[in-house]
Amino acid sequence: DVKVTQSSRYLVKRTGEKVFLECVQDMDHENMFWYRQDPGLGLRLIYFSYDVKMKEKGDIPEGYSVSREKKERFSLILESASTNQTSMYLCASSPSSWGEDGYTFGSGTRLTVV
Amino acid sequence: ELKVEQNPLFLSMQEGKNYTIYCNYSTTSDRLYWYRQDPGKSLESLFVLLSNGAVKQEGRLMASLDTKARLSTLHITAAVHDLSATYFCAVIRGAQKLVFGQGTRLTINP
Repeated sequence: DVKVTQSSRYLVKRTGEKVFLECVQDMDHENMFWYRQDPGLGLRLIYFSYDVKMKEKGDIPEGYSVSREKKERFSLILESASTNQTSMYLCASSPSSWGEDGYTFGSGTRLTVV
Repeated sequence: ELKVEQNPLFLSMQEGKNYTIYCNYSTTSDRLYWYRQDPGKSLESLFVLLSNGAVKQEGRLMASLDTKARLSTLHITAAVHDLSATYFCAVIRGAQKLVFGQGTRLTINP
């Protein structure tokens, strides 16, 4: 019954590496989102997408990019990982018809940059 | 800029007690969500509140919304250990973007 899948639960990467975080949803949702979660800061929006090939910056896009080549897949890219990008990354999706359910979240990827 | 603030950020309480988590937000919104997160897990939707005066209850949790005061509360009645988790409120901004509070880490001790 998995609906939003993030490919890795834990990742350790070196400073300067290019990092790809993958998210796939099987609910045919139009909207997809990437958040990072840090203690005391809650969840902050990095990027979102309302449709294939479409992307918009959230509140903290610096150092990140995204790709959405297919409706079901939304990738977050760290072009050159830095230690301040160590965090929990959460992917979410929602339908374009904004019902009561809100977002469906993936299980998260805990990224450590060393 | 929409800001969402929760308090308290940390709450340690005894089983059987009642307590309330508060969620304030800075600009008008017509939809507010409460989520629960267990350690190491993702977020699970608890409630959506759609209008002023809305109240929803599930077991020992009750959420309410006052849009005029820009305030939502999550009330815990006769707390049990299983309710230990981090609770987030989130408010709609623009087209389907959610802005989250900082989270309240709730620990319920036997």
